[in-house]
Amino acid sequence: DAKTTQPTSMDCAEGRAANLPCNHSTISGNEYVYWYRQIHSQGPQYIIHGLKNNETNEMASLIITEDRKSSTLILPHATLRDTAVYYCIVRISGNTGKLIFGQGTTLQVKP
Amino acid sequence: KAGVTQTPRYLIKTRGQQVTLSCSPISGHRSVSWYQQTPGQGLQFLFEYFSETQRNKGNFPGRFSGRQFSNSRSEMNVSTLELGDSALYLCASREHGDTGELFFGEGSRLTVL
Repeated sequence: DAKTTQPTSMDCAEGRAANLPCNHSTISGNEYVYWYRQIHSQGPQYIIHGLKNNETNEMASLIITEDRKSSTLILPHATLRDTAVYYCIVRISGNTGKLIFGQGTTLQVKP
Repeated sequence: KAGVTQTPRYLIKTRGQQVTLSCSPISGHRSVSWYQQTPGQGLQFLFEYFSETQRNKGNFPGRFSGRQFSNSRSEMNVSTLELGDSALYLCASREHGDTGELFFGEGSRLTVL
């Protein structure tokens, strides 16, 4: 079973920041938080990941609470092309290609 | 670099038949994972291969099998197809390291009639 809980769906106005929450209250000390997204009929795309500290890359920012029980993915200026299903995944460190996907959040960016 | 390539993109089979799907990973990536995506169950991990050896396996029946070749290309096979095997089958490759991100292909969409 997935170790994360996400809202089923969210809306965001184009040009505004999209804040996608994720709860992972049972996360262990050696587990990372990963975010992927899947645009309709395409394979999932990696966005960002983190362990303890907040992370930022060209796509998004990841804010992890101090107790690591929840996190927020921030898309700073959402565009229509950001409409997708966003998956928050807790992944054990170490050498594995196994990801346990939950149902994700469907983000609809509206003009 | 070319991305992960999966073939065929679409295929239709009938119950009882078998199917083989192919995946070419990103150049230099030696780990390949397979996933099944259905509307009801979502994305589920099938198995992972590295150095021609299965390293991890999901909770699927023995009808689902795979293999990896010396050039890291991988195939998965589903025998005795059932209607419920209709799904998008995704392949992902990664560098064999600690937190290496997975790069997914576009998938092979299988329809079983």
